[in-house]
This record gives sequence, C-alpha cells and structure tokens, in this order.
Amino acid sequence: EVQLVESGGGLVQPGGSLRLSCAASGFTVSSNYMSWVRQAPGKGLEWVSVIYSGGSTYYADSVMGRFTISRDNSKNTLYLQMNSLRAEDTAVYYCARWSAGGGYDAFDIWGQGTMVTVSS
Amino acid sequence: DIQMTQSPSSLSASVGDRVTITCRASQSISSYLNWYQQKPGKAPNLLIYAASSLQSGVPSRFSGSGSGTDFTLTISSLQPEDFATYYCQQSAITPYSFGQGTKLEIK
Repeated sequence: EVQLVESGGGLVQPGGSLRLSCAASGFTVSSNYMSWVRQAPGKGLEWVSVIYSGGSTYYADSVMGRFTISRDNSKNTLYLQMNSLRAEDTAVYYCARWSAGGGYDAFDIWGQGTMVTVSS
Repeated sequence: DIQMTQSPSSLSASVGDRVTITCRASQSISSYLNWYQQKPGKAPNLLIYAASSLQSGVPSRFSGSGSGTDFTLTISSLQPEDFATYYCQQSAITPYSFGQGTKLEIK
C-alpha cells in the first residue's frame, strides 16, 4: 500500500527547533518529488518546501533560511528540519508526494499530518 | 509569486444541486491547476489535475475546466459526502500556491 506517515510534531518554544519525519511505503522517496505543506489552525493550505528527485530544493519565503528539507534514501524517509521557530509556524504539517510528468503535476499522496505548536 | 483567488469563500447548497467554484490565477498558468477536497481533521484529497483530468477513483460528478487564468470546479449533483472545503492549487512554478479555500455547507 502506498502510504506516508509523519511524526515528530509537538510543542516547542519560540526560537526552538524540531525535526519532522515522513516515512514512505509502497514507493521510493528518492525517485519522486516530495513536499511539505502546512495548515495553520482554521486556515488554508500553505506550500512549504519541495525536494526534487535530483536533489534540488525550494522553499516558501516564509521559511527560507530557517527550514531544511532532506531525505534519507536508506530509510525511504523525508525530513523537515525546522529552526528558529515562530508562533506563526504553528500548524499541521503534511508531507505529500508530488507526481510529475505526462501532464500530471499534483500532490497525489498525503500523510495524515503532524501538529507543531510554537508557544511559550 | 502567483496568487490564487477562489470564489466564493463559502457556499450553501442542497443535496442534488449543481455547484460551481471558481479559481483565478494572478498570471497565466496554462493548465497547471489542481483541485483538492479536504474534510475536517483529514488530509486533502486530489480530485482534479491538469485543470480537467479526473483523478483515479474520484466520482464522475466532479469535473474541472479552464486554462490560462480562469478555472472552475463543478459538482454536477451534490451528495452528502461532498460537503467539505475545496482548494485550487497551481503547479506551474514555485511557490506552488493554493487558493484560500471554498467551504461547501449543507443548506
């Protein structure tokens, strides 16, 4: 079964750090584009970051320089290292597979989400 | 950055109604437009990709159209399970922005 399972969320103080993990099954993370998308409480979806199969990475301006997306091919796992966290980073964080090619460019597989709360 | 604007922000409708949600991009995105459905406490679910292609497993009452800057999602006959929030998303260029969402409620 194709599946993504996030972990690592929790409560952290402003200025703190957290690393989110997203374990994939049923497909290979390194062969796909993978992204993080977040949703603040009661708000809409916000794209955060992408890592392409070739290794290139891109970030939303709101997290540039503070967040780092990466993957561990041996563990078939995607990560999001979040540093210098702010209250406005409070959100449910979803990992998602970005399927691309043949006219198809969309997030077709999503994890269940992990909650990050930044508060003192 | 490309801004995505959905209308309306909320919509009340009845089972069996035909509803249309609109999404406008701040610049041309060709057909790089996707639609997602999200229910409370759940992850989004892909409905339509490339503006008009139905994702596998999605009921045929959902359809999408448009190109360039103006797009629509249509539900031909609302079912009880369709009451949810719908988001458009452009996949033309990073940042891959989403619309603000349209909440579809039962009348």
